[in-house]
Amino acid sequence: DTAVSQTPKYLVTQMGNDKSIKCEQNLGHDTMYWYKQDSKKFLKIMFSYNNKELIINETVPNRFSPKSPDKAHLNLHINSLELGDSAVYFCASSQYRPGGEQYFGPGTRLTVT
Amino acid sequence: RKEVEQDPGPFNVPEGATVAFNCTYSNSASQSFFWYRQDCRKEPKLLMSVYSSGNEDGRFTAQLNRASQYISLLIRDSKLSDSATYLCVVNRLGSGNTGKLIFGQGTTLQVKP
Repeated sequence: DTAVSQTPKYLVTQMGNDKSIKCEQNLGHDTMYWYKQDSKKFLKIMFSYNNKELIINETVPNRFSPKSPDKAHLNLHINSLELGDSAVYFCASSQYRPGGEQYFGPGTRLTVT
Repeated sequence: RKEVEQDPGPFNVPEGATVAFNCTYSNSASQSFFWYRQDCRKEPKLLMSVYSSGNEDGRFTAQLNRASQYISLLIRDSKLSDSATYLCVVNRLGSGNTGKLIFGQGTTLQVKP
């Protein structure tokens, strides 16, 4: 059984397009996250939601808009894609407590051409 | 200066060797500490939490020195399957109850036969 799943796994698109990545977790967690891992392998948090409420919003261009329809789902919509958006995007989830282990999805490899 | 710094390596060691990774963090507000493991083109997974008293899990030993803001991971009797990137991670309390995970760049380990 997949704990944290993301779709699609690979996404190749042209500059200027709008795309969405979906994430679902079946762990019963109440907190979900989006991370970006760039070509230098740094993993940086972008957003965090707890029970559908946004609790972390890093300095991310407003072309990126997360949406959490319920606590098991967190989607990421990206408008007007740019070359610099090419990266691997990971979704994660955890219990809402300090130091809780985060479980990551398999990642979505986005390539903008 | 990055908030969490690691030597990216790679560390190339023979099977059976003992290898140590170090990590420093700059924010004294960091509350909890972890080592995650990331295999090539896969998601990060929690390897172990790190406590001031030091903790061991089989061949893996983690240490934390809060005064020096220094974290270490020791792997004894290296196996081929230990080849991966090891991410030093700190949880900095801030927005929300879960805080924010800050990842180091990772240290790449290659264990050779």
